[in-house]
Amino acid sequence: QKEVEQNSGPLSVPEGAIASLNCTYSDQGSQSFFWYRQYSGKSPELIMFIYSNGDKEDGRFTAQLNKASQYVSLLIRDSQPSDSATYLCAVNPGGTSYGKLTFGQGTILTVHP
Amino acid sequence: NAGVTQTPKFQVLKTGQSMTLQCAQDMNHNSMYWYRQDPGMGLRLIYYSASEGTTDKGEVPNGYNVSRLNKREFSLRLESAAPSQTSVYFCASSDLAGLTDTQYFGPGTRLTVL
Repeated sequence: QKEVEQNSGPLSVPEGAIASLNCTYSDQGSQSFFWYRQYSGKSPELIMFIYSNGDKEDGRFTAQLNKASQYVSLLIRDSQPSDSATYLCAVNPGGTSYGKLTFGQGTILTVHP
Repeated sequence: NAGVTQTPKFQVLKTGQSMTLQCAQDMNHNSMYWYRQDPGMGLRLIYYSASEGTTDKGEVPNGYNVSRLNKREFSLRLESAAPSQTSVYFCASSDLAGLTDTQYFGPGTRLTVL
């Protein structure tokens, strides 16, 4: 069973702080990694993807990937109340299972004013 | 450009009834997917279709069937609904173009089986 685990929440941070969301995966052959944001009652929407080791920045969001440790994270700088949502980590396994994303259980983030 | 659309948005069924969830995309994507999402859990893949004319089982296919009607449409059928199938169902599509392949989700169908 290929697993994706996210840090248990809920996570609560004050406005303006850095929120750190973590995800580990069990399949060493996994090729690409996605972070989705899901507001309550809505569908998931892509924040960013990463497939090379290191950091990838997009505005206030930074994704970090360490394939040796099988670890991917999402940092949200200058957190805003509008960032309050559930964040889903998804892993693309590659090989014959390419495209069949495995999702973590999600981390609920609350940013309080 | 509507993206991914799903019908119906809400549905209540009695145990044993059947229904079909409809999904359509206008992004000319090759691949389409059906997921279910239960409280406190991420999305779990039910079935997917890598291209028109092909379908394959995902993680939780039991109790479901699918049809890839054409490139645009991918339907999910519950032949005999059970309370365990109460969930939110999402359809998604992607181009399956490589490492950066992104799945785009429809608004979801909230299904309750009594």
